[in-house]
Amino acid sequence: GAVVSQHPSRVICKSGTSVKIECRSLDFQATTMFWYRQFPKQSLMLMATSNEGSKATYEQGVEKDKFLINHASLTLSTLTVTSAHPEDSSFYICSANEGGPKNIQYFGAGTRLSVL
Amino acid sequence: KNEVEQSPQNLTAQEGEFITINCSYSVGISALHWLQQHPGGGIVSLFMLSSGKKKHGRLIATINIQEKHSSLHITASHPRDSAVYICALQGAQKLVFGQGTRLTINP
Repeated sequence: GAVVSQHPSRVICKSGTSVKIECRSLDFQATTMFWYRQFPKQSLMLMATSNEGSKATYEQGVEKDKFLINHASLTLSTLTVTSAHPEDSSFYICSANEGGPKNIQYFGAGTRLSVL
Repeated sequence: KNEVEQSPQNLTAQEGEFITINCSYSVGISALHWLQQHPGGGIVSLFMLSSGKKKHGRLIATINIQEKHSSLHITASHPRDSAVYICALQGAQKLVFGQGTRLTINP
């Protein structure tokens, strides 16, 4: 079946640094990918919709300059957390839509970000 | 009121028990997803439903579009079924997630 690869699975960084998270669809093309954030014991929260070849669509309250999204190809979207702060520590998950009549979303394994 | 409500929030059962997790929603949808999230965080898509019933192994998912309600059943539950189960509403593109049901199956 379709697979979405997310890397890295875990990252620990110092406050003020930037962290890039990659999301790849391995055996299908994804014109749309989604980035979610999940705080402990809470549900997933959609941050932004990543569109190949165009600007990402951010949800209300999500800072565009803080969370940079690039979807340069049909199989790769990246999320960069710029100038990370401890409050950015969270679990970030991507998903990709295979499209077609089934419209199934496949999820990456997630990235646990810890900002010291 | 949330668009999607799951119940129960937490469920503990003994191995072998029949498990039911419910999901009610208040908006129109094109489909409903059931997802499984393990303690490590990774999410697996279990089912996508737009009508009727689907079965995969010991898992059964049903949906009633008129009543805006879906259920996930696990037969002969096993400790490895312990996870958070999330229902998610499929709109035009985005998913709207329920709060999840934390299931613990004791040996």
